Amino acid sequence: GAGVSQTPSNKVTEKGKYVELRCDPISGHTALYWYRQSLGQGPEFLIYFQGTGAADDSGLPNDRFFAVRPEGSVSTLKIQRTERGDSAVYLCASSPRGWAGASIPYGYTFGSGTRLTVV
Amino acid sequence: LAKTTQPISMDSYEGQEVNITCSHNNIATNDYITWYQQFPSQGPRFIIQGYKTKVTNEVASLFIPADRKSSTLSLPRVSLSDTAVYYCPQGGGKLIFGQGTELSVKP
Repeated sequence: GAGVSQTPSNKVTEKGKYVELRCDPISGHTALYWYRQSLGQGPEFLIYFQGTGAADDSGLPNDRFFAVRPEGSVSTLKIQRTERGDSAVYLCASSPRGWAGASIPYGYTFGSGTRLTVV
Repeated sequence: LAKTTQPISMDSYEGQEVNITCSHNNIATNDYITWYQQFPSQGPRFIIQGYKTKVTNEVASLFIPADRKSSTLSLPRVSLSDTAVYYCPQGGGKLIFGQGTELSVKP
């Protein structure tokens, strides 16, 4: 597609439930990133995929969070046993390729995000 | 990675030039400097990037001194639609975003 698509745009779930958030990156973009953003804060890095593999998952807050990208395109962020503190906007971004030393980087293209509310 | 430092907020009027400065005290040798713009209910949008000296595109100019410890985003003749949060994230690949600068443009 023309941009990064995230679904759903809004998700309300009960504490303790499991949720999946989907990201469709720009076609051909090999790098995919997940961030989350709380009100009044900048985006917080969660995980970076280069192709199908997670190249850096150091931002995942705990083992309740997991992300996959099985075919190197669509990615799903999965959150188990949701807590009220997980409420935030989850942003996905893609770029033609990931970071690579001294190569000129590509800017990220972000989606509009999924607003997750845990009640 | 330490985050960059930038003013929390700035006010301006339509038609003025706005300069937002960011401190990159921990910038790595290979890192490019990038700026993003974010409107409410949208993801950040890439504006401009540079390595050193000056870069200009149709949206903004970016000034980077020789030591690369800071950068200045320059928006010429701002309009109401430039009201947004502006970020200068740290890092060359895994971008680390700070709180950003909330720019308010008034008529």
